[in-house]
Amino acid sequence: DTAVSQTPKYLVTQMGNDKSIKCEQNLGHDTMYWYKQDSKKFLKIMFSYNNKELIINETVPNRFSPKSPDKAHLNLHINSLELGDSAVYFCASSQTRSGASTDTQYFGPGTRLTVL
Amino acid sequence: AQSVAQPEDQVNVAEGNPLTVKCTYSVSGNPYLFWYVQYPNRGLQFLLKYITGDNLVKGSYGFEAEFNKSQTSFHLKKPSALVSDSALYFCAVRDPLTGGGNKLTFGTGTQLKVEL
Repeated sequence: DTAVSQTPKYLVTQMGNDKSIKCEQNLGHDTMYWYKQDSKKFLKIMFSYNNKELIINETVPNRFSPKSPDKAHLNLHINSLELGDSAVYFCASSQTRSGASTDTQYFGPGTRLTVL
Repeated sequence: AQSVAQPEDQVNVAEGNPLTVKCTYSVSGNPYLFWYVQYPNRGLQFLLKYITGDNLVKGSYGFEAEFNKSQTSFHLKKPSALVSDSALYFCAVRDPLTGGGNKLTFGTGTQLKVEL
């Protein structure tokens, strides 16, 4: 009964490949997020979707493309992987997207991506 | 713009002693403040949040945090540390007046080490 789940947990791949990370939440939340945690543990938001609509799109290379087939899923597709993409990627969800929302974001276990 | 600072990369404390993990913030209006904990190779777990009301907020695992508007701080505290509290702690802030969704800005994290 995991609330926010991600697959795979580990992903090792070569430079130039295309890969996807999947995220699912069973909390009934409307909003989902992708965060990147670099080697220094710094966490930064990448994207946010609300009911399949893109809400937040930080300065992220366009090689990264989020896809939301429904409000319970937010997948992250990365084209032409580079060494600098190596990081831990976290998915999160919250009830609403409003800036005034007091809702808590709940995080998945993370996907450790290693680009060789 | 919203930002948060965690001035200590690491905090060491003996088991049974009180612990404090420091956090200061900067927002335009009244902040929403959060603490998360990350255990090794795990996702972020929500500990507590301050939205409004009582400045002392109680959360999970015996942790509490005190909101101090004049000092723009939200320090995490626990009266008696346990070895199992050893983890990476993140403070996060959101400015509810900021448009564009439920965007959290995280601090750089503080590694807490509790020793016997």
